[in-house]
Amino acid sequence: GQNIDQPTEMTATEGAIVQINCTYQTSGFNGLFWYQQHAGEAPTFLSYNVLDGLEEKGRFSSFLSRSKGYSYLLLKELQMKDSASYLCAVRDSNYQLIWGAGTKLIIKP
Amino acid sequence: IAGITQAPTSQILAAGRRMTLRCTQDMRHNAMYWYRQDLGLGLRLIHYSNTAGTTGKGEVPDGYSVSRANTDDFPLTLASAVPSQTSVYFCASSDSSGATDTQYFGPGTRLTVL
Repeated sequence: GQNIDQPTEMTATEGAIVQINCTYQTSGFNGLFWYQQHAGEAPTFLSYNVLDGLEEKGRFSSFLSRSKGYSYLLLKELQMKDSASYLCAVRDSNYQLIWGAGTKLIIKP
Repeated sequence: IAGITQAPTSQILAAGRRMTLRCTQDMRHNAMYWYRQDLGLGLRLIHYSNTAGTTGKGEVPDGYSVSRANTDDFPLTLASAVPSQTSVYFCASSDSSGATDTQYFGPGTRLTVL
């Protein structure tokens, strides 16, 4: 079967750096997405990786290793507004997105 | 309208009733999707449409139907609601001709079936 694994919950301190990991086993690979979802709101797009390596976008970076079935989302200079769930999703061979359950990130002052 | 809208925002429904969740986008995206989101689970695809006039089944289609009469609208119908359909429903759309085919989400409909 297809599977996306992420930690259920993480806690970090304002101003610090946090890395959220995602491992996947899917039938085929056509890109990996990270979304942010604040409580009670819709998921919003953060990043997309299809080739190995690091994609940097401001305070957020996303890394992909296709051979290891592994990605991480790196958040720098954490702010209280970064408290949210972070969803990892992989596009499979049928071009459908397979979603992880999400990682709830709690930021403490 | 800017982006994707969904209606209603929330609804409490008696079991056995018929319900249609509405979704409209103004981005001229060819593809649209319906997901449900339940605590502890990832988003699960119910139905999708790659272009107006076509639809397909996702991971959890049973008890739901969709139609895509035009590019902008993609309603989801529960023919006879059951309590297990209590969930938050998100509609999304994407431009599948784009480089990344990123999906953009509506604000969601919170449905409770009693």
